[in-house]
Amino acid sequence: EIVMTQSPATLSVSPGERATLSCRASQSVSSNLAWYQQKPGQAPRLLIYDASTRATGIPARFSGSGSGAEFTLTISSLQSEDFAVYYCQQYNNWPRTFGQGTKVEIK
Amino acid sequence: EVQLLESGGGLVQPGGSLRLSCAASGFTFSSYAMGWVRQAPGKGLEWVSTMSASSLNSHYADSVKGRFTISRDNSKHTVYLQMNSLGVDDTAVYHCAKNDWNDFYFDYWGQGILITVSS
Repeated sequence: EIVMTQSPATLSVSPGERATLSCRASQSVSSNLAWYQQKPGQAPRLLIYDASTRATGIPARFSGSGSGAEFTLTISSLQSEDFAVYYCQQYNNWPRTFGQGTKVEIK
Repeated sequence: EVQLLESGGGLVQPGGSLRLSCAASGFTFSSYAMGWVRQAPGKGLEWVSTMSASSLNSHYADSVKGRFTISRDNSKHTVYLQMNSLGVDDTAVYHCAKNDWNDFYFDYWGQGILITVSS
């Protein structure tokens, strides 16, 4: 099983600032990586797939990068609606696995 | 608009069984793999199972293999999760999710339904 490790666990950021979230895989997953956003009491929402492709309707301030085993999600200028928990997920191998999440909170 | 609506949740005793249903609409159900992802209270996301569009292939997390069975009825636009031998560690919100065209990631999610395993 591929283990996905996200860091940091919690990120405190002021509105308008840049947020950088990391996701590391225990082995290469090529570019087969997705990022999801989840707000309290809501279903997860797909943000990024194939490591760097924004899903339909996702604002340009969200960007993904990386390949192999190291990935980054960047939110260029945090808006109030971006404070949430973010998960990465690999789909290179079965079983599909998620990272433990990074909570982005207001500083 | 894609909609996924889970049902069948509730309280069950340890060792019991439950069947979840997920009614889908807004897309060609028979063309897409479907899956289940769960989230224990206060915890992260855990993939549970995925079934291909044709029902020919299914995959399970080790934590549920042999106890849970995924199935689908394309004529009813519904995917199911039969859960047997439930334990307290199975307590979670269970989300139904639609796969992308290549059966890779989940592009739409249901709101989820709570399963509580407790005596």
